Amino acid sequence: AQSVTQPDIHITVSEGASLELRCNYSYGATPYLFWYVQSPGQGLQLLLKYFSGDTLVQGIKGFEAEFKRSQSSFNLRKPSVHWSDAAEYFCAVASMEYGNKLVFGAGTILRVKS
Amino acid sequence: DVKVTQSSRYLVKRTGEKVFLECVQDMDHENMFWYRQDPGLGLRLIYFSYDVKMKEKGDIPEGYSVSREKKERFSLILESASTNQTSMYLCASSKANYGYTFGSGTRLTVV
Repeated sequence: AQSVTQPDIHITVSEGASLELRCNYSYGATPYLFWYVQSPGQGLQLLLKYFSGDTLVQGIKGFEAEFKRSQSSFNLRKPSVHWSDAAEYFCAVASMEYGNKLVFGAGTILRVKS
Repeated sequence: DVKVTQSSRYLVKRTGEKVFLECVQDMDHENMFWYRQDPGLGLRLIYFSYDVKMKEKGDIPEGYSVSREKKERFSLILESASTNQTSMYLCASSKANYGYTFGSGTRLTVV
Protein backbone atom coordinates (compact mmCIF):
# COMPACT_ATOMS: atom_id res chain seq x y z
CA ALA A 1 0.00 0.00 0.00
CA GLN A 2 1.09 3.53 -0.62
CA SER A 3 2.44 5.51 2.32
CA VAL A 4 4.09 8.82 3.05
CA THR A 5 6.57 9.37 5.88
CA GLN A 6 7.56 12.67 7.39
CA PRO A 7 10.11 11.59 9.98
CA ASP A 8 10.24 14.88 11.88
CA ILE A 9 7.19 15.73 13.98
CA HIS A 10 8.63 19.07 15.15
CA ILE A 11 11.45 21.20 13.84
CA THR A 12 12.71 24.46 15.34
CA VAL A 13 14.93 26.81 13.34
CA SER A 14 16.19 30.30 13.92
CA GLU A 15 14.86 33.10 11.78
CA GLY A 16 17.16 33.55 8.79
CA ALA A 17 18.47 29.99 8.96
CA SER A 18 17.96 27.46 6.19
CA LEU A 19 15.27 24.80 6.39
CA GLU A 20 14.83 21.29 5.07
CA LEU A 21 11.74 19.19 5.76
CA ARG A 22 11.97 15.55 4.86
CA CYS A 23 9.44 13.42 3.03
CA ASN A 24 9.74 9.81 1.89
CA TYR A 25 7.10 7.84 0.05
CA SER A 26 6.36 4.27 -0.83
CA TYR A 27 4.65 3.90 -4.18
CA GLY A 28 4.85 1.38 -6.98
CA ALA A 29 4.24 3.79 -9.81
CA THR A 30 5.50 7.24 -10.73
CA PRO A 31 3.94 9.50 -8.16
CA TYR A 32 2.64 13.03 -8.22
CA LEU A 33 4.14 14.89 -5.26
CA PHE A 34 2.89 17.85 -3.29
CA TRP A 35 3.75 20.03 -0.32
CA TYR A 36 1.03 21.86 1.57
CA VAL A 37 1.23 24.34 4.43
CA GLN A 38 -1.36 24.91 7.12
CA SER A 39 -1.25 27.95 9.35
CA PRO A 40 -3.05 27.73 12.69
CA GLY A 41 -6.82 27.68 12.23
CA GLN A 42 -6.54 27.67 8.45
CA GLY A 43 -7.07 25.22 5.63
CA LEU A 44 -4.25 23.77 3.57
CA GLN A 45 -2.45 25.85 0.97
CA LEU A 46 -0.51 24.29 -1.88
CA LEU A 47 3.17 25.29 -1.82
CA LEU A 48 4.37 23.34 -4.83
CA LYS A 49 3.85 20.19 -6.84
CA TYR A 50 5.85 17.82 -9.01
CA PHE A 51 4.38 15.82 -11.87
CA SER A 52 7.31 15.30 -14.25
CA GLY A 53 10.31 17.03 -15.80
CA ASP A 54 12.83 19.05 -13.84
CA THR A 55 13.25 17.39 -10.46
CA LEU A 56 13.84 20.70 -8.68
CA VAL A 57 10.51 22.46 -8.26
CA GLN A 58 9.98 26.06 -7.25
CA GLY A 59 6.96 27.01 -5.22
CA ILE A 60 5.39 29.98 -3.52
CA LYS A 61 6.83 31.88 -0.56
CA GLY A 62 10.42 31.05 -1.59
CA PHE A 63 10.11 27.29 -1.09
CA GLU A 64 11.56 24.65 -3.34
CA ALA A 65 11.57 20.84 -3.33
CA GLU A 66 13.67 18.21 -5.02
CA PHE A 67 12.38 14.87 -6.26
CA LYS A 68 14.93 12.07 -5.88
CA ARG A 69 13.57 8.89 -7.37
CA SER A 70 16.48 6.74 -6.14
CA GLN A 71 15.75 7.79 -2.55
CA SER A 72 11.96 7.97 -2.90
CA SER A 73 12.17 11.41 -1.40
CA PHE A 74 10.69 14.84 -1.99
CA ASN A 75 12.29 17.16 0.56
CA LEU A 76 11.16 20.74 1.01
CA ARG A 77 13.74 23.50 1.39
CA LYS A 78 13.96 27.21 2.04
CA PRO A 79 17.27 29.10 2.19
CA SER A 80 16.19 31.66 4.79
CA VAL A 81 13.24 31.15 7.09
CA HIS A 82 10.96 33.98 8.16
CA TRP A 83 8.92 34.05 11.37
CA SER A 84 5.74 33.89 9.27
CA ASP A 85 6.79 30.43 8.00
CA ALA A 86 5.86 28.92 11.36
CA ALA A 87 3.10 26.44 10.47
CA GLU A 88 2.48 22.77 9.87
CA TYR A 89 3.75 21.29 6.62
CA PHE A 90 2.31 18.25 4.90
CA CYS A 91 3.82 16.16 2.18
CA ALA A 92 1.31 14.35 -0.03
CA VAL A 93 1.51 11.84 -2.83
CA ALA A 94 -0.92 10.73 -5.52
CA SER A 95 -0.67 8.19 -8.28
CA MET A 96 -2.81 7.29 -11.27
CA GLU A 97 -2.37 3.71 -10.13
CA TYR A 98 -4.40 4.58 -7.03
CA GLY A 99 -6.95 6.82 -8.69
CA ASN A 100 -5.16 10.07 -7.92
CA LYS A 101 -6.22 10.06 -4.30
CA LEU A 102 -3.93 12.18 -2.18
CA VAL A 103 -2.20 10.34 0.65
CA PHE A 104 -0.72 12.60 3.31
CA GLY A 105 2.14 12.32 5.70
CA ALA A 106 1.57 13.00 9.38
CA GLY A 107 2.90 16.52 9.10
CA THR A 108 5.87 18.48 10.45
CA ILE A 109 5.32 21.42 12.78
CA LEU A 110 7.82 24.19 12.14
CA ARG A 111 8.68 26.61 14.92
CA VAL A 112 10.76 29.69 14.16
CA LYS A 113 12.72 31.33 16.94
CA SER A 114 13.91 34.91 16.75
CA ASP B 1 -9.20 31.22 -7.77
CA VAL B 2 -11.04 28.05 -6.88
CA LYS B 3 -13.04 28.39 -3.76
CA VAL B 4 -14.07 25.53 -1.54
CA THR B 5 -16.52 26.60 1.10
CA GLN B 6 -17.40 24.60 4.17
CA SER B 7 -20.63 25.75 5.70
CA SER B 8 -19.58 25.69 9.34
CA ARG B 9 -16.30 26.60 10.96
CA TYR B 10 -17.17 25.14 14.36
CA LEU B 11 -19.85 22.66 15.36
CA VAL B 12 -20.78 21.11 18.67
CA LYS B 13 -23.09 18.11 18.56
CA ARG B 14 -24.35 15.55 21.02
CA THR B 15 -23.60 11.85 20.90
CA GLY B 16 -26.11 10.02 18.73
CA GLU B 17 -27.10 13.05 16.67
CA LYS B 18 -27.12 12.94 12.88
CA VAL B 19 -24.62 15.50 11.60
CA PHE B 20 -24.33 17.03 8.15
CA LEU B 21 -21.15 18.75 6.98
CA GLU B 22 -21.57 20.66 3.76
CA CYS B 23 -18.97 21.54 1.15
CA VAL B 24 -19.41 23.60 -2.00
CA GLN B 25 -16.88 24.36 -4.74
CA ASP B 26 -17.28 26.92 -7.48
CA MET B 27 -14.95 25.82 -10.28
CA ASP B 28 -16.71 22.84 -11.83
CA HIS B 29 -14.25 20.30 -10.43
CA GLU B 30 -15.11 16.67 -11.01
CA ASN B 31 -13.39 15.34 -7.90
CA MET B 32 -14.34 16.06 -4.31
CA PHE B 33 -12.95 14.62 -1.10
CA TRP B 34 -13.55 14.52 2.62
CA TYR B 35 -10.64 14.14 5.02
CA ARG B 36 -10.38 14.22 8.76
CA GLN B 37 -7.31 15.69 10.41
CA ASP B 38 -6.04 14.58 13.80
CA PRO B 39 -2.78 15.56 15.52
CA GLY B 40 0.05 13.20 14.67
CA LEU B 41 -2.02 11.36 12.08
CA GLY B 42 -2.09 13.92 9.28
CA LEU B 43 -5.09 13.83 6.97
CA ARG B 44 -6.97 10.63 6.39
CA LEU B 45 -9.38 10.13 3.52
CA ILE B 46 -12.95 9.32 4.50
CA TYR B 47 -14.82 9.35 1.20
CA PHE B 48 -14.38 10.78 -2.25
CA SER B 49 -16.41 11.31 -5.39
CA TYR B 50 -15.39 11.52 -9.04
CA ASP B 51 -18.78 12.56 -10.35
CA VAL B 52 -22.34 13.36 -9.42
CA LYS B 53 -24.04 10.53 -7.52
CA MET B 54 -20.73 8.70 -7.41
CA LYS B 55 -18.94 7.88 -4.19
CA GLU B 56 -16.10 5.70 -3.10
CA LYS B 57 -14.80 4.76 0.30
CA GLY B 58 -11.51 6.12 1.44
CA ASP B 59 -9.32 4.73 4.20
CA ILE B 60 -11.62 5.37 7.17
CA PRO B 61 -15.27 5.33 6.00
CA GLU B 62 -16.78 3.62 9.05
CA GLY B 63 -19.44 5.73 10.72
CA TYR B 64 -19.72 8.11 7.78
CA SER B 65 -21.66 8.41 4.57
CA VAL B 66 -21.69 11.00 1.78
CA SER B 67 -24.01 12.51 -0.76
CA ARG B 68 -23.27 14.18 -4.08
CA GLU B 69 -26.48 15.17 -5.80
CA LYS B 70 -24.95 18.16 -7.61
CA LYS B 71 -21.48 18.56 -9.02
CA GLU B 72 -20.60 21.51 -6.82
CA ARG B 73 -21.78 20.06 -3.50
CA PHE B 74 -20.42 17.16 -1.47
CA SER B 75 -21.94 16.41 1.92
CA LEU B 76 -20.48 14.31 4.71
CA ILE B 77 -22.96 12.64 7.03
CA LEU B 78 -22.33 11.24 10.46
CA GLU B 79 -25.27 8.92 10.93
CA SER B 80 -24.93 8.76 14.71
CA ALA B 81 -22.18 10.97 16.02
CA SER B 82 -19.77 9.54 18.56
CA THR B 83 -17.07 11.19 20.65
CA ASN B 84 -14.31 9.54 18.61
CA GLN B 85 -15.53 11.53 15.62
CA THR B 86 -14.44 14.76 17.28
CA SER B 87 -11.97 16.10 14.77
CA MET B 88 -11.17 18.68 12.11
CA TYR B 89 -12.91 17.85 8.83
CA LEU B 90 -11.47 19.15 5.57
CA CYS B 91 -13.16 19.14 2.20
CA ALA B 92 -11.18 19.39 -1.04
CA SER B 93 -11.83 19.48 -4.74
CA SER B 94 -9.65 18.89 -7.78
CA LYS B 95 -9.71 18.61 -11.53
CA ALA B 96 -8.04 15.44 -12.86
CA ASN B 97 -4.57 15.12 -11.35
CA TYR B 98 -3.99 18.71 -10.36
CA GLY B 99 -3.32 19.75 -6.81
CA TYR B 100 -6.28 19.84 -4.53
CA THR B 101 -7.91 22.99 -3.21
CA PHE B 102 -9.01 22.74 0.39
CA GLY B 103 -11.71 24.43 2.39
CA SER B 104 -10.93 26.09 5.71
CA GLY B 105 -12.19 23.12 7.66
CA THR B 106 -14.95 22.36 10.15
CA ARG B 107 -13.92 21.66 13.71
CA LEU B 108 -16.49 19.23 15.06
CA THR B 109 -16.82 18.46 18.74
CA VAL B 110 -19.10 15.61 19.82
CA VAL B 111 -20.07 15.73 23.48
